[in-house]
Amino acid sequence: GAVVSQHPSRVICKSGTSVKIECRSLDFQATTMFWYRQFPKKSLMLMATSNEGSKATYEQGVEKDKFLINHASLTLSTLTVTSAHPEDSSFYICSNMGAGEGDTQYFGPGTRLTVL
Amino acid sequence: GNSVTQMEGPVTLSEEAFLTINCTYTATGYPSLFWYVQYPGEGLQLLLKATKADDKGSNKGFEATYRKETTSFHLEKGSVQVSDSAVYFCALSGAAGNKLTFGGGTRVLVKP
Repeated sequence: GAVVSQHPSRVICKSGTSVKIECRSLDFQATTMFWYRQFPKKSLMLMATSNEGSKATYEQGVEKDKFLINHASLTLSTLTVTSAHPEDSSFYICSNMGAGEGDTQYFGPGTRLTVL
Repeated sequence: GNSVTQMEGPVTLSEEAFLTINCTYTATGYPSLFWYVQYPGEGLQLLLKATKADDKGSNKGFEATYRKETTSFHLEKGSVQVSDSAVYFCALSGAAGNKLTFGGGTRVLVKP
């Protein structure tokens, strides 16, 4: 399997501020990572596919100017929630593809964002 | 498009009971199928997977068999423990870009 970390695990911010969430692939270089959002007691919703060295691919309905994704290295992808509002409060989870494991994704521990 | 349907919970069981969580899917081509488990406040952990028809995935006493004829991938465990209390997600991969399609999740509560 692959090991994925996220930082921070929990963040509280005020409305209007921006928050950056880091996702790291710890044991191999990941050209592709994914960002998901999960509402309480709900399933995961794919937000975007993060590609190293190129622009992220966003899912329909996800605002690319609000959820900025940067994948500047093979081990780090970041998600920045800009001008956060209370409705952005959610659990954000990233994943990567396991090395040599085809289409298997391994997930980070998640980041709980609360916007006051 | 692809879709995954799994039984709604919560499923409440006593320790050592038999667990089945149904999962059916709709997909074009030949998707890979997965079961992930999520413990409270945590991300998803891969529980098991199967990549082709009739494959059986197994891990930690859990099993699921890829049934193409019934488009199903039901999760089973013969004797559950309190520590198995979690939310279980069925998922498939087959869309462009290796995207995962998730079911709605099934919450399982095992009581001592």
